[in-house]
Amino acid sequence: GESVGLHLPTLSVQEGDNSIINCAYSNSASDYFIWYKQESGKGPQFIIDIRSNMDKRQGQRVTVLLNKTVKHLSLQIAATQPGDSAVYFCAEIHNAGNMLTFGGGTRLMVKP
Amino acid sequence: GAGVSQSPSNKVTEKGKDVELRCDPISGHTALYWYRQSLGQGLEFLIYFQGNSAPDKSGLPSDRFSAERTGGSVSTLTIQRTQQEDSAVYLCASSRREDRGGGYTFGSGTRLTVV
Repeated sequence: GESVGLHLPTLSVQEGDNSIINCAYSNSASDYFIWYKQESGKGPQFIIDIRSNMDKRQGQRVTVLLNKTVKHLSLQIAATQPGDSAVYFCAEIHNAGNMLTFGGGTRLMVKP
Repeated sequence: GAGVSQSPSNKVTEKGKDVELRCDPISGHTALYWYRQSLGQGLEFLIYFQGNSAPDKSGLPSDRFSAERTGGSVSTLTIQRTQQEDSAVYLCASSRREDRGGGYTFGSGTRLTVV
């Protein structure tokens, strides 16, 4: 079946470096892609989203890139901080409904 | 309240017992979702309520799982005759009907442990 998945289960970066978390998706009929951050013991927290008619969107220290040609989504975090340590999930919303479909998650570890 | 509230935050139950998990969505949010997250895994969709429409139950793993949403607000997820494989964090989210993208707000979840 169609799914959203991630390339790397764990990413370790030095504090201050930039982080890139990747996600591959297979469903072309999605109109929104979202990145969530989940800290231990908490629910997923919205970071940034991007519509399918865009290829880049920037927020505060974060950028999401969407490459529909190769069905690839990435989250870039600039100047990674210890507070960025968490599990990051990508998710998609099919254009025919409201349901979020999640990928498997990448754990980001920031070394001081 | 300001966010999605779930209770209890932790639940330990014996195999074979029934459990009820509660979700209070954000006021005014017509859509409510239940997800299950096993240790170290992603979020698995369980059920979706939207206003007065019939719920989308396509994600419920077995007939031991059921959910209700009373008055378009509070929802209860019930697991009957719990099994050890039901151990997971159960997450609830809510949104407005017109929300796309970042309009979904998650609660902190209920950690269920079946012993």
